[in-house]
Amino acid sequence: AQSVTQLDSHVSVSEGTPVLLRCNYSSSYSPSLFWYVQHPNKGLQLLLKYTSAATLVKGINGFEAEFKKSETSFHLTKPSAHMSDAAEYFCVVSLKAAGNKLTFGGGTRVLVKP
Amino acid sequence: EPEVTQTPSHQVTQMGQEVILRCVPISNHLYFYWYRQILGQKVEFLVSFYNNEISEKSEIFDDQFSVERPDGSNFTLKIRSTKLEDSAMYFCASGGGPGQGNQPQHFGDGTRLSIL
Repeated sequence: AQSVTQLDSHVSVSEGTPVLLRCNYSSSYSPSLFWYVQHPNKGLQLLLKYTSAATLVKGINGFEAEFKKSETSFHLTKPSAHMSDAAEYFCVVSLKAAGNKLTFGGGTRVLVKP
Repeated sequence: EPEVTQTPSHQVTQMGQEVILRCVPISNHLYFYWYRQILGQKVEFLVSFYNNEISEKSEIFDDQFSVERPDGSNFTLKIRSTKLEDSAMYFCASGGGPGQGNQPQHFGDGTRLSIL
C-alpha cells in the first residue's frame, strides 16, 4: 500500500521569502513522486516529478524538491515566493506495481502576503 | 501545449438521474483516468483505462459507475443513478504516449458535479 502525508494544511509566507512544503510518503517499493499545483477553479498542473533518477528535482516556476529515501520525504521548496504562487499544492505518489494510479496527499494551501 | 479538456465545467443534476461527464484526453496518450475530490477531502482515484478496458478501479467505482471511450477521442464517466454523496469535483487525466509508459498524468480542469 502507498500513502502520502502533507504535514501542513496551510502555509503562509511573505512575498520574496522562501517556501517549504513538507511531504512524507509510505511505500513498499520504489515510488514515483510528484508535486501538483491547483490554482482556484483550475485543474491540477504538474510542477515536478521524481522517477528514480537525480534525487534533487527541478520543476517549473522555480520550484524544486529533494527525494530523501532515508527520511521517506519529498519536500517542495522555492527560494523566493511570488504572489502567483498562492494555490493549493499536492504531493502525490505512484507505484508501477499499483497500476500507476496516483495517491494524493491532503494538500497544502499556500497564502502569499505582500 | 496539448491539454486535457473536460465538459461541462459544472453540472447540476437531480438525485437519481443519470449523468455523463466528458473528457478529451491528450491525443497520443494511451492511459486514461478519473479521479474525484469531494469538498474538503483528498483527491481520490476512481478508475484507470487502457487498451479499451478498465485496468484498475477503486472501491468507490461501484456498479453505478461506468467508463467508455466511444470514438477514439472522448473518454466518458457515467453515473447511472446519482446520489447526494456523488457531489464532487471530477478530474480526468491522461498519460503516456507510445513507449513512454503512463507517467506523468496530465489533468483537465475538472467538472464540478452538484446533486440536488
